[in-house]
Amino acid sequence: DIQMTQSPSSLSASVGDRVTITCRASQGISNYLAWYQQKPGKVPKLLIYAASTLQSGVPSRFSGSGSGTDFTLTISSLQPEDVATYYCQKYNSAFGPGTKVDIK
Amino acid sequence: QVQLVQSGAEVKKPGASVKVSCKASGYTFTGYYMHWVRQAPGQGLEWMGWINPNSGGTNYAQKFQGRVTMTRDTSISTAYMELSRLRSDDTAVYYCARADSSGYFQPVGYWGQGTLVTVSS
Repeated sequence: DIQMTQSPSSLSASVGDRVTITCRASQGISNYLAWYQQKPGKVPKLLIYAASTLQSGVPSRFSGSGSGTDFTLTISSLQPEDVATYYCQKYNSAFGPGTKVDIK
Repeated sequence: QVQLVQSGAEVKKPGASVKVSCKASGYTFTGYYMHWVRQAPGQGLEWMGWINPNSGGTNYAQKFQGRVTMTRDTSISTAYMELSRLRSDDTAVYYCARADSSGYFQPVGYWGQGTLVTVSS
């Protein structure tokens, strides 16, 4: 099975900061990568698919990039409602361990 | 609208089996892969596998092979996940989750409400 890793495992940033989360696959996965946001007590929500395509209704401050083994999720200007854990996933396969994002 | 309604919470003893159901509505059940994902308390998401409701074909994560069985009943638009030989570390919320679009390689777009399975002697 393909393994997914993420860094950092957690971060704390100020409102308005640019936040970047990285995800790495143990082997090349083309652009078959999705990012999910999970707020406490809620089910995950699809943010980005095909590595860089924003899901309908997701704010444009979220963006994704990468291909092959290395991917990034960027929040251009962190908002209080973005406090959540973010997971990457290779389609039909493993999730990364998650990155918890808090407000400083 | 797409709805996935799962069965209620379960308490099981170690060594037992559990079967969780997921009733789908609001779309053509056979048109979209269904995944099962679990989340232990305070932990991350763990993908368990998928079932193609059209063919019944399945693919399980290596960790669960031999212990998990995913099935479906197309007549009632319901998917099932059965996990056997339960251990205490199988205590988790189990989610069914539908692919966002039809086709093989798709992200997950819709989630059930989750079913808490507690394994305790």
